[in-house]
Amino acid sequence: QSVLTQPPSVSAAPGQEVVISCSGSSSNIGPNYVSWYQQVPGTAPKLLIYENHKRPSGIPDRFSGSKSGTSATLGIAGLQTGDEADFYCGAWDNSLNGMLFGGGTKLTVL
Amino acid sequence: QVQLRESGPGLVRPSETLSLTCSVSNDSTSSHYWSWIRQPPGKGLEWIGYAFYTGSLNYNPSLRSRATISLDTSKNQVSLRLNSVTTADTAMYYCARGSLLGTAVRGVVIFDYYFDHWGQGTPVTVSS
Repeated sequence: QSVLTQPPSVSAAPGQEVVISCSGSSSNIGPNYVSWYQQVPGTAPKLLIYENHKRPSGIPDRFSGSKSGTSATLGIAGLQTGDEADFYCGAWDNSLNGMLFGGGTKLTVL
Repeated sequence: QVQLRESGPGLVRPSETLSLTCSVSNDSTSSHYWSWIRQPPGKGLEWIGYAFYTGSLNYNPSLRSRATISLDTSKNQVSLRLNSVTTADTAMYYCARGSLLGTAVRGVVIFDYYFDHWGQGTPVTVSS
């Protein structure tokens, strides 16, 4: 099965910026849109970014998304302790003919 | 705002059938792609499949032989049945509202699929 690869963990200090990568293939990220989800421990995931870079209403502009080729990135600026969570990328996979999620990245704000 | 609430038995015996229901408020199941997603303890998200009110269904190939998703538009509910469960099916099960659009660009279909509303999840343990 195709996979979307994310780093298991990232960390940074409050106020700094962090970037989380999501690496895919020509079967998923290459041709299709990417979405990002934030999951605070013990809660359900929440949509952060859709269509590669768009933010739903209520998501602060500290969160940004981009895509290039078969990879995507989520950027979080001005880190706050409340941003600590697991982050997942997702994209339609043409081989799976459905949604594929990355393995998740745990963000620690030191 | 849109609310989704999952319900079902928290404990299922191995080889039996898992049955869950998602009740949708402030939206209609006669639009959007209603999906089930699961998350084993300490692990990542796994898409199970979706149902659309037209009768369109789609499943993760790894679960296609055991999963059934259905919509009851009169009750505004989405259901999941997963048969012949094993301990590997122990997970938090989420219902989610999906947006799916496929656009043809120069002969290639570009898919835009994401989940903008999620339920709180319901835990299911498979154990004897």
